[in-house]
Amino acid sequence: EIVLTQSPGTLSLSPGERATLSCRTSQSVASFYIAWYQQRPGQAPRLLFYAASHRATGVPDRFSGSGSGTDFTLTISRLEPEDFAVYYCQQYGSSYSFGQGTKLEI
Amino acid sequence: EVQLVESGGGLVQPGRSLRLSCIASGFTFGDYAMSWVRQAPGKGLEWISFIRNKLHDETTEYAASVEGRFTVSRDDSTNIAYLQMNSLKTDDTGVYYCARAKRGCDAGNCFRDASDIWGRGTLVTVSS
Repeated sequence: EIVLTQSPGTLSLSPGERATLSCRTSQSVASFYIAWYQQRPGQAPRLLFYAASHRATGVPDRFSGSGSGTDFTLTISRLEPEDFAVYYCQQYGSSYSFGQGTKLEI
Repeated sequence: EVQLVESGGGLVQPGRSLRLSCIASGFTFGDYAMSWVRQAPGKGLEWISFIRNKLHDETTEYAASVEGRFTVSRDDSTNIAYLQMNSLKTDDTGVYYCARAKRGCDAGNCFRDASDIWGRGTLVTVSS
């Protein structure tokens, strides 16, 4: 099983700041098989990125995804109030697995 | 509107069974693979099952935590995916989501993929 480890567990920032979220996989994963999701309280997850860097429909361009091998990153260039949520990475190259999540708080 | 709606959750005693349904609308359900993902209270997301479409023999995959207890199935004539949950444990408590695999299946392939459409979830509580 591929284990995904996200860091930090909680990230405290202010609107307008830049956020950098990390996802490390226990073995190399082709970037084609990495996704990022956003989950706001009481809501279902929302797909942000697939294939590591491909933005899903409707995702603002202040969000970007990158990475390769075992290290992947989600960056939010200028935080908006609605961006404060929990973010999960996922791999789907070998079965499926999620990271434990990063809570982005004000 | 593309939509998934889960139902069938509720309170159930340990050791009992429950069947969840996921009704799809707004897209050609039979062209897509589907997943089930759950979330324990206050915890993260856990993938639990995946089913390909009929063209790919409705092949399935399961997380180790549910293998042998849960069974995923689908009925493309009614646009419904099911999750049959047997021998339920208290650790199975949580919100259960169904989700669509982003890439559709074609004649040659029906890959695992990121999930682009999610239902709102149904709550399953396993308790005596």
